[in-house]
Amino acid sequence: NAGVTQTPKFQVLKTGQSMTLQCAQDMNHNSMYWYRQDPGMGLRLIYYSASEGTTDKGEVPNGYNVSRLNKREFSLRLESAAPSQTSVYFCASLRDRLADTQYFGPGTRLTVL
Amino acid sequence: AQKITQTQPGMFVQEKEAVTLDCTYDTSDPSYGLFWYKQPSSGEMIFLIYQGSYDQQNATEGRYSLNFQKARKSANLVISASQLGDSAMYFCAMREGQNSGYALNFGKGTSLLVTP
Repeated sequence: NAGVTQTPKFQVLKTGQSMTLQCAQDMNHNSMYWYRQDPGMGLRLIYYSASEGTTDKGEVPNGYNVSRLNKREFSLRLESAAPSQTSVYFCASLRDRLADTQYFGPGTRLTVL
Repeated sequence: AQKITQTQPGMFVQEKEAVTLDCTYDTSDPSYGLFWYKQPSSGEMIFLIYQGSYDQQNATEGRYSLNFQKARKSANLVISASQLGDSAMYFCAMREGQNSGYALNFGKGTSLLVTP
């Protein structure tokens, strides 16, 4: 039982390049989330998916797209990376109740030069 | 508007002493949940404790307790008998209802350093 996994762990991009961050969970959770963490800012929600086939914008969605490929997988795509997207990206999942804990992946550290 | 406020950017505590990390929140939703997470230097997010808005008693988990004062909209984390391994960033977070997809709103965090 791996929980929430993310790939890659580290990535360096040049401005304008594209890439996809992968996230998978094996807990049969319905909801999945992408957050970014910047120094002094806490974690901010980029996008979430309440169920397979649905996605919604969070607080900071500009410059990102997401795909909920199936119940297990939720990917985050940067179409044209910018230095402002340098951050640590966390994926999380939740079974679907108010009291349930969100389980976080280990994070992806992305640098855009 | 900031929904979660953590006013202490950094805190120091001596080993074996207790420490309180402050958190205030803002919501008009009667049903919400409050969480504390720990983030050590290795970067992972570790769940510590949860308090529901309808819970009558303060939550406790081992050395962690949550001092929930609903009228004041505060949810302070108390760590008793601090250990060197408690040195980390601590984040307070709130989850509101289903309309927000049960996503978490995080505060900016408090950096705790435990000294020998």
